[in-house]
Amino acid sequence: DAGVIQSPRHEVTEMGQEVTLRCKPISGHNSLFWYRQTMMRGLELLIYFNNNVPIDDSGMPEDRFSAKMPNASFSTLKIQPSEPRDSAVYFCASSVAQGGVSEQYFGPGTRLTVT
Amino acid sequence: GQSLEQPSEVTAVEGAIVQINCTYQTSGFYGLSWYQQHDGGAPTFLSYNALDGLEETGRFSSFLSRSDSYGYLLLQELQMKDSASYFCAVSPTPMDSSYKLIFGSGTRLLVRP
Repeated sequence: DAGVIQSPRHEVTEMGQEVTLRCKPISGHNSLFWYRQTMMRGLELLIYFNNNVPIDDSGMPEDRFSAKMPNASFSTLKIQPSEPRDSAVYFCASSVAQGGVSEQYFGPGTRLTVT
Repeated sequence: GQSLEQPSEVTAVEGAIVQINCTYQTSGFYGLSWYQQHDGGAPTFLSYNALDGLEETGRFSSFLSRSDSYGYLLLQELQMKDSASYFCAVSPTPMDSSYKLIFGSGTRLLVRP
């Protein structure tokens, strides 16, 4: 089993540029989560989807952030325009929603640096 | 809202036992999970408690007291490879059929020879 796949693994961009992060969840998982991790703010949940539908986006920091899940095997997190304070590691995780809390499987993360 | 508190750092000696505490305040509670994260890596699942009591998985155990809004992770026979950050995470009352996690700030464990 391939696990959660994220791309790119590293991204360096200049302020004002658009950034798109990609995630492929584990096959058969129907919940997908986007997190951001920084030293200052820890591990924050940005948004999560269930069966491709956004359920809770209350963690999305600003309108500059948007996320989509067009199908069960792909999701994107977009930042437009990017700012230096967006520099962080962004994790995607997936799980099986089955009437109880289940283990979340995290991808390797995308380390974003905005200069 | 939700808030979790856990110590920022813990140091222990190889072979020893260490306990990492977690207290939480949440509007609606479903369960408490623990995740491990090595430097440069991704969080990985360790354990989950929905009911009061102790859950044991090898060298790791996790405890929950719902009435005290308190849990802990117990690591026995510490090994150098256990040096990592440990996060407690609460699952609030679910929306739809999926369960989100709210993570604590993490406890950095340093195991010394």
